[in-house]
Amino acid sequence: AQKVTQAQTEISVVEKEDVTLDCVYETRDTTYYLFWYKQPPSGELVFLIRRNSFDEQNEISGRYSWNFQKSTSSFNFTITASQVVDSAVYFCALSDIAGGTSYGKLTFGQGTILTVHP
Amino acid sequence: DSGVTQTPKHLITATGQRVTLRCSPRSGDLSVYWYQQSLDQGLQFLIQYYNGEERAKGNILERFSAQQFPDLHSELNLSSLELGDSALYFCASSGVMGANVLTFGAGSRLTVL
Repeated sequence: AQKVTQAQTEISVVEKEDVTLDCVYETRDTTYYLFWYKQPPSGELVFLIRRNSFDEQNEISGRYSWNFQKSTSSFNFTITASQVVDSAVYFCALSDIAGGTSYGKLTFGQGTILTVHP
Repeated sequence: DSGVTQTPKHLITATGQRVTLRCSPRSGDLSVYWYQQSLDQGLQFLIQYYNGEERAKGNILERFSAQQFPDLHSELNLSSLELGDSALYFCASSGVMGANVLTFGAGSRLTVL
């Protein structure tokens, strides 16, 4: 069975600090996708990034960056120079792409509540 | 606005009752997914439909059922409601089968008293 673990339940930082959200996953599949979603206080889930298991390149998008390490089954997310608007719950998720019928069947971690104080 | 529309936004009902949650996917998306978010279980996949057919099932209770109609909107029916069914129910949609980036709706918050 697939499993996603976000060990940090809550993180509190002061604005402009860098913060890293950890994600460790378990899967028997050799091909899979990893995701990060953001859930702001308004409640909707906002897609941030998708990473294919074959693509271990790190990615940077503005103040966001992601570090995917297959050897340690980790897909960590770093926010540089955090802002109050980054306050949200962040979810890491995993889906397998084998078989072609379970796309979108995501296994989510428990989420990390990030609070950025001014 | 994500393009995925869910109604109602909030619903309060009593134990034993039945409710229907509605979802309209993004224009052009053929797949609809239902997820449940609760304090104790977190975010859990319930069921997926693709172009009217059930494609994948998760931890969906027998008291729950769903369908996707020819116009691609979907409904999640919850019956014999229990206190533990109180949760945020999300609908998501995606395009062709290989594109599993889900776009989520704003959710329907169900409170069972």
